[in-house]
Amino acid sequence: GAVVSQHPSWVICKSGTSVKIECRSLDFQATTMFWYRQFPKQSLMLMATSNEGSKATYEQGVEKDKFLINHASLTLSTLTVTSAHPEDSSFYICSAREGQWGQYFGPGTRLTVL
Amino acid sequence: GDSVTQMEGPVTLSEEAFLTINCTYTATGYPSLFWYVQYPGEGLQLLLKATKADDKGSNKGFEATYRKETTSFHLEKGSVQVSDSAVYFCALSDRGGTASKLTFGTGTRLQVTL
Repeated sequence: GAVVSQHPSWVICKSGTSVKIECRSLDFQATTMFWYRQFPKQSLMLMATSNEGSKATYEQGVEKDKFLINHASLTLSTLTVTSAHPEDSSFYICSAREGQWGQYFGPGTRLTVL
Repeated sequence: GDSVTQMEGPVTLSEEAFLTINCTYTATGYPSLFWYVQYPGEGLQLLLKATKADDKGSNKGFEATYRKETTSFHLEKGSVQVSDSAVYFCALSDRGGTASKLTFGTGTRLQVTL
């Protein structure tokens, strides 16, 4: 089946620094990728929809200047958390779209901001 | 807005026991309903789906029936195995197809013991 990878799988950074998370579709092309955020014991919350070659669409309440999304190719989308703070610590999950029924998820990236 | 409510876990069962994980939803229109499974260290995988009322999705011995009258999509399996230990997410899409934006429940952790 289709495989989506994320890198890194976990990252620890200092408050005020920026962190980039990569999401790659390994064996298919994805014009659309989604970024989710998951807090402990809570559901996955959609943050934004990333479309190749165009600006991302952010969900209500998500700061687009803080969570920068770039979908520069059909197999790669990146999420950059700028000026990270401890409240940004979370589990970030991406998914990639293939056709109507295919939405394949990456394994997630755990971000800890000290 | 759309929402999904599923029973809190963890659920601990002995091997060969019967499993039910409750899921109810709130949505406008006629959503498609899904169950995803996440094994340790892996991304979410689509387990089964149902696209209209009274549809039954099934896969790997798991079943769920789309009940519009009770807005429910409960997951069942007649005889669980240790290998079924994972986190299960109920989700809906109001546009049809898993490739659209998904609204997730909080996830239910299942632990199956010998």
